[in-house]
Amino acid sequence: KQEVTQIPAALSVPEGENLVLNCSFTDSAIYNLQWFRQDPGKGLTSLLLIQSSQREQTSGRLNASLDKSSGRSTLYIAASQPGDSATYLCAVYYGGATNKLIFGTGTLLAVQP
Amino acid sequence: DTAVSQTPKYLVTQMGNDKSIKCEQNLGHDTMYWYKQDSKKFLKIMFSYNNKELIINETVPNRFSPKSPDKAHLNLHINSLELGDSAVYFCASSQAYGTGYTFGSGTRLTVV
Repeated sequence: KQEVTQIPAALSVPEGENLVLNCSFTDSAIYNLQWFRQDPGKGLTSLLLIQSSQREQTSGRLNASLDKSSGRSTLYIAASQPGDSATYLCAVYYGGATNKLIFGTGTLLAVQP
Repeated sequence: DTAVSQTPKYLVTQMGNDKSIKCEQNLGHDTMYWYKQDSKKFLKIMFSYNNKELIINETVPNRFSPKSPDKAHLNLHINSLELGDSAVYFCASSQAYGTGYTFGSGTRLTVV
């Protein structure tokens, strides 16, 4: 069964800290992996998309890595700010017969000023 | 200009009613989706359409019926609403499978 898990479920850090969010997936035959951010009561905002052939993607203070063989991805946030507080979702796309985006359980991040 | 727009944003209705949620995307994408986010914030796919053709239909009660009049629109009609249908429903689109998804802002459905 294709499952995606995120650890930790919740994280609280003081402003300015660097932090890492983890995502693991049971079936390593992924096509790509996408990190999203969801603010309370809002929709999903795409942060980074990593194709299966890539090892990492960067956007500003965000860096996402992918280790397909071990079934893991990490989202690194540098110099965290209170505005980074949100739920972060990892989603894995499987092509072929599956053909769908499977979401992780999410990490609720709170950055304290 | 909103890329993927859903209406209404909030929907409160009584059990047994029939309701529809509309979704439109102006990105020129070929594929559209409906996702359900439950009370524990877990997102799960319900349907996907590629160029008006149903591709994925997960284990969803047949009270839920998607309709795609053209590739820019994917509406969700729900018959005989139940309390357990209360959730946030998200519409999404992608250019093709595996090219990255764009989500709408969601429709919060509350069945009373």
